[in-house]
Formats: sequence, C-alpha cells, structure tokens
Amino acid sequence: DAKTTQPPSMDCAEGRAANLPCNHSTISGNEYVYWYRQIHSQGPQYIIHGLKNNETNEMASLIITEDRKSSTLILPHATLRDTAVYYCIVGSSGTYKYIFGTGTRLKVLA
Amino acid sequence: NAGVTQTPKFQVLKTGQSMTLQCAQDMNHEYMSWYRQDPGMGLRLIHYSVGAGITDQGEVPNGYNVSRSTTEDFPLRLLSAAPSQTSVYFCASSYRRISEAFFGQGTRLTVV
Repeated sequence: DAKTTQPPSMDCAEGRAANLPCNHSTISGNEYVYWYRQIHSQGPQYIIHGLKNNETNEMASLIITEDRKSSTLILPHATLRDTAVYYCIVGSSGTYKYIFGTGTRLKVLA
Repeated sequence: NAGVTQTPKFQVLKTGQSMTLQCAQDMNHEYMSWYRQDPGMGLRLIHYSVGAGITDQGEVPNGYNVSRSTTEDFPLRLLSAAPSQTSVYFCASSYRRISEAFFGQGTRLTVV
C-alpha cells in the first residue's frame, strides 16, 4: 500500500478556504485516496474519497492531480469547528488495509 | 442506528491481566477493524475482518487476538496486558472495501 506525506500543521483564518496537501507519489492504479479527520480525541470521521476524478460533497472538495501523485483537500469556508487533525490515506481496492500517517493538524483561527 | 459502539470507554488494567474490548455495529457492515492510537501519533491497524469467520493481521498484531463469529461483533482480546499496550483503541466498520469507514468513540486503556 502506498504511503502519504502531509505537512504536520497548518493555520487557516475562519471563513477562508483551507487547502490541505497530500503527497502519495507511489500510489498504484487501483488505490483510492481517502480523507478523514479527527477532532480532539474522538473517533476519526470520514470526509471524502476519490480515485482519479475530482470529487465534491457537502463537507469538502478533493482535487487529485492528473498523475495521481498528489491531492488537495479543500474546505471551502473553514469554521472553528473544522479545527482537527486531517489524515490523507491511500487504500487498496484489493485489501482492507488503511495506513494512517500522523496527518496535518489544522487550526482555524478566529 | 447506533453506528459503532465500543465498550468500555475507559479501563485500567494491571500488568499481566487479560481483557476483551467490545465492538458492535448495527449497520450490517462486512468489514471491521481495530486500531490503536498512541499520544501524538496516527492510528495503527491491529487486526481486521472481511466477514464473519475471517480475520487477518494488521501492522501491530502482537499481544492481541480477534475473532468474528457474527457480522455485528468484533471483540479484541488482550492476552496478557503490558504497559506498552496503554493506548486509545478504535474500532471501525464499513460496508465495502472501498467505502467510508465508521469509527467508534474509542476505549482508553491504561496498563499499570
């Protein structure tokens, strides 16, 4: 399974877009990109996932580069409640093994 | 739907004791897994199951056993607790391999 690289921390002003990058240069053709977040010490919460096309849902947008070696999670209008650790994970379609890294700690500032 | 329910929420064990962490889901999900999270770190996969009667090891399986006799339940057994197993344990389930996973609220275990 491919591994991911994320910046350890980021700040974002409330109301602005938060753009969280993820590098997954060793991703293989059948691996999806997933994003989860963990608020305080709660259980992680699913945000979005995609294979190669850009995806959008009510929480966020996921932009995957054409070569699929990196992606960006976009929270269009960050609020204080979006302060959390965000995990980018690459999951194989052939197995059920998600490798969590240390994620990006996003702090939304008032 | 209750989602994924973990019990207990908190537990203190003495070194050498055994215990079972319970995980139940009411969403009829095939896939279930156990993770541990140590302070300041991401989640690490302990064991997972792709259906009743089928389990497999994750990254850090040593010291833990699992079984899956029903679709709903996936208990995690600590055979002989050690201080290194002090951690927060999360259970997760999902409908398919490629679908969103639902996590429980965690069990905070301290081994003294």
